[in-house]
Amino acid sequence: SAVISQKPSRDICQRGTSLTIQCQVDSQVTMMFWYRQQPGQSLTLIATANQGSEATYESGFVIDKFPISRPNLTFSTLTVSNLSPEDSSIYLCSVGSGTGSNEQYFGPGTRLTVT
Amino acid sequence: AQKVTQAQTEISVVEKEDVTLDCVYETRDTTYYLFWYKQPPSGELGFLIRRNSFDEQNEISGRYSWNFQKSTSSFNFTITASQVVDSAVYFCALSEAGSNYKLTFGKGTLLTVNP
Repeated sequence: SAVISQKPSRDICQRGTSLTIQCQVDSQVTMMFWYRQQPGQSLTLIATANQGSEATYESGFVIDKFPISRPNLTFSTLTVSNLSPEDSSIYLCSVGSGTGSNEQYFGPGTRLTVT
Repeated sequence: AQKVTQAQTEISVVEKEDVTLDCVYETRDTTYYLFWYKQPPSGELGFLIRRNSFDEQNEISGRYSWNFQKSTSSFNFTITASQVVDSAVYFCALSEAGSNYKLTFGKGTLLTVNP
């Protein structure tokens, strides 16, 4: 399985600012995903980020709020813009296994607190 | 539309007890994949198992076993002789074959194993 790292691991930000989260994979992967996990809740897919194309956002998530970059096959960033306390969550990136089984491996997550 | 239900929000057991975590899913596809993930207090989401819809064989891995029954749309997870280190939130997830890897998670079950 791929080894995935995320930076930062946690951050405390003031409302109105933005945070950019980096996701690095130790091998080339086609499909990368960004999830949000609000406190005590399950994971919700924000968007799918494929290299060379625009990210595909799920219902309820928009590019202006969650811009994503995918400059190459091992790296992606998610920015959470114009932060509000409701954005306090764990943000996780994941990658597809490439085996055709829809299996995904997850990074360690970024814990964001907005004050 | 795909849906995963984990009816048990929290379970508390004493060490060495066996415990079963329930997962019921809904899908219209005939080809799909089911997963279990473990999220310990550290927050990192760890992959446990994948099952495809054509393989109903039960699986055992050490103290862990999984019972997949298409007739009841269930994919239950049993931990035998539980240990304190098993304390975590466990998520069941579903992905339809044509969904571009999209994972739908259940709300998770918080398992606490007391010494």
